[in-house]
Amino acid sequence: QVQLVQSGAEVKKPGASVRVSCKASGYTFTSYYIHWVRQAPGQGLEWVGTINPIISRTDYAQRFRGRVTVTRDTSTSTVYMELTSLKSEDTAVFYCTRGRWELDAFDVWGQGTMVTVSP
Amino acid sequence: QSVLTQPPSVSGAPGQRVAISCSGSSSNIGATYDVHWYQQLPGTAPKLLIYGNTNRPSGVPDRFSGSKSGTSASLVITGLQAEDEADYYCQSYDRSLSGSRVFGGGTKLTVL
Repeated sequence: QVQLVQSGAEVKKPGASVRVSCKASGYTFTSYYIHWVRQAPGQGLEWVGTINPIISRTDYAQRFRGRVTVTRDTSTSTVYMELTSLKSEDTAVFYCTRGRWELDAFDVWGQGTMVTVSP
Repeated sequence: QSVLTQPPSVSGAPGQRVAISCSGSSSNIGATYDVHWYQQLPGTAPKLLIYGNTNRPSGVPDRFSGSKSGTSASLVITGLQAEDEADYYCQSYDRSLSGSRVFGGGTKLTVL
């Protein structure tokens, strides 16, 4: 079945970087965009960025630009999100999700990865 | 402050009908970009509920329906059930935010 499986929880100190992975299976990896969505504790959903896995073209939300990098490895059907210069406000669950077209709905979601930023 | 505005909470008794609004502007919903809806049960990942304004993915009960008009969209749930208690989010695209997909702030549905 179609799955997005994310890497495990991370605890980081302020100023550090974190890399979260998202492994896709059950479908043709290059046929869907992969997006990242952040959810701070008790808060709503916030779009972080996306990658076109065919040409590796990325697009990021303005507030994360300069701090986030999304990459992909087609040999393992895995997408990575790296967030640098971590702040306590970055403590959140990060989800990967997919969309068939650039502005399509997000039809399958990963299980989420908790990133905790604490001194 | 979210680009798309939703009521923080709605409630209804079992069997009743509830509606959740999603208000946008001429740079997102009003610019004819599609609206999608997601349901998030406590402690779980969001789930796609409605896509392309009015369409239900396979497996979503027809008690859930979506509509869009002008700069707003709505999610309607009829025959409310206890398991519908969740957070609901609308999502669209905003052309003024340099490639940004945008979410509403979310609405907590309580089944009384």
